[in-house]
Amino acid sequence: AQSVAQPEDQVKVAEGNPLTVKCTYSVSGNPYLFWYVQYPNRGLQFLLKYITGDNLVKGSYGFEAEFNKSQTSFHLKKPSALVSDSALYFCAVRDREYGNNRLAFGKGNQVVVIP
Amino acid sequence: SAVISQKPSRDICQRGTSLTIQCQVDSQVTMMFWYRQQPGQSLTLIATANQGSEATYESGFVIDKFPISRPNLTFSTLTVSNMSPEDSSIYLCSVEVGLTSYNEQFFGPGTRLTVL
Repeated sequence: AQSVAQPEDQVKVAEGNPLTVKCTYSVSGNPYLFWYVQYPNRGLQFLLKYITGDNLVKGSYGFEAEFNKSQTSFHLKKPSALVSDSALYFCAVRDREYGNNRLAFGKGNQVVVIP
Repeated sequence: SAVISQKPSRDICQRGTSLTIQCQVDSQVTMMFWYRQQPGQSLTLIATANQGSEATYESGFVIDKFPISRPNLTFSTLTVSNMSPEDSSIYLCSVEVGLTSYNEQFFGPGTRLTVL
């Protein structure tokens, strides 16, 4: 089984401050991890993914995420948030078992960046 | 990457009727999926649309309620049958480009369905 937990409902930060959106996962094997963003009235957009190798992954719009196997976490970060980063963020995981094409999504975090 | 369009973008339907949602991709893809996103909730996978064979449904979803067609590698439809207000959701089509399990999924803009 595979699952994702995004413990916070809303993350509120001031523009220019660092932004962190938390994600922990559970898989029976090794994970592939993804972050998506959903702007109002739009579909999900892919931000970044972790496959293997370097634990720090860089993605679109200045976002990055750090894979931490011991803590089973994959937190999304941005050093300096913009008002335009206000959106719904989803973490997703896929177990690396053969033939598994299912993605398990977290409940999402609403990010609000205050001008 | 892939560009995905969905029709309709939104609809308001009466209880007991059915709605068919179309998903068109700009390139041939192996994997196509249908998700439901209920208000304030996460995405739930309804089924994997298989080209040339019956869709693979997730637990809690059945073919009679959500029949799916996949006539070719660029197109799929999802029908929401005998609708009730509980079916009010955003329905999203997604695709994977490539055959490895670490490929990201690309999502369509969604169909916002309201059932009265």
